[in-house]
Amino acid sequence: AQRVTQPEKLLSVFKGAPVELKCNYSYSGSPELFWYVQYSRQRLQLLLRHISRESIKGFTADLNKGETSFHLKKPFAQEEDSAMYYCALSGTGANSKLTFGKGITLSVRP
Amino acid sequence: GAGVSQTPSNKVTEKGKYVELRCDPISGHTALYWYRQSLGQGPEFLIYFQGTGAADDSGLPNDRFFAVRPEGSVSTLKIQRTERGDSAVYLCASSPRGTVNTGELFFGEGSRLTVL
Repeated sequence: AQRVTQPEKLLSVFKGAPVELKCNYSYSGSPELFWYVQYSRQRLQLLLRHISRESIKGFTADLNKGETSFHLKKPFAQEEDSAMYYCALSGTGANSKLTFGKGITLSVRP
Repeated sequence: GAGVSQTPSNKVTEKGKYVELRCDPISGHTALYWYRQSLGQGPEFLIYFQGTGAADDSGLPNDRFFAVRPEGSVSTLKIQRTERGDSAVYLCASSPRGTVNTGELFFGEGSRLTVL
């Protein structure tokens, strides 16, 4: 079974503050991890994936297999980062599905 | 420049009625997924199509739910004898590849179903 846990429902920070959105997972094999984002009145979209090791909009996420975590971080939050963020996990099989966490609302205040 | 299109965007029905939700994926995308999102929850997997066949329907909650993709493009999610607990946003997503772990899912805006 694959499971994604996002322990917090809401994170509220001031503009310019650091952000860390927590994600823990449970999976017996080698997972692929993703962060998806949904801005107000927009559709759910991919933010970043761990295999790409990329920084998107200043966000990064490192897969820590020892702690089974994939926390999303940004050193200086911007107001436009306010959105709903979902951590997601996929197995590596041919027909693997994407399993989402419950999501966290990030609110960046001016 | 079409993304994933879902109709209707909103559907209000009465308990016990039959409902169909339609998804038109991005042209050329072979993989199609249905998810359900209840209030305060993340998207919950329902079913995945690779071409015309359902590769994984393990997320369908019971036999009142059924989905088809007869020509490998448009898909219809069918819910029989709707219950109030079926109220949710039903999301469709497509992908150009057969596996999620190398590509991303492109989501539609969802169909909001309310069962009175």
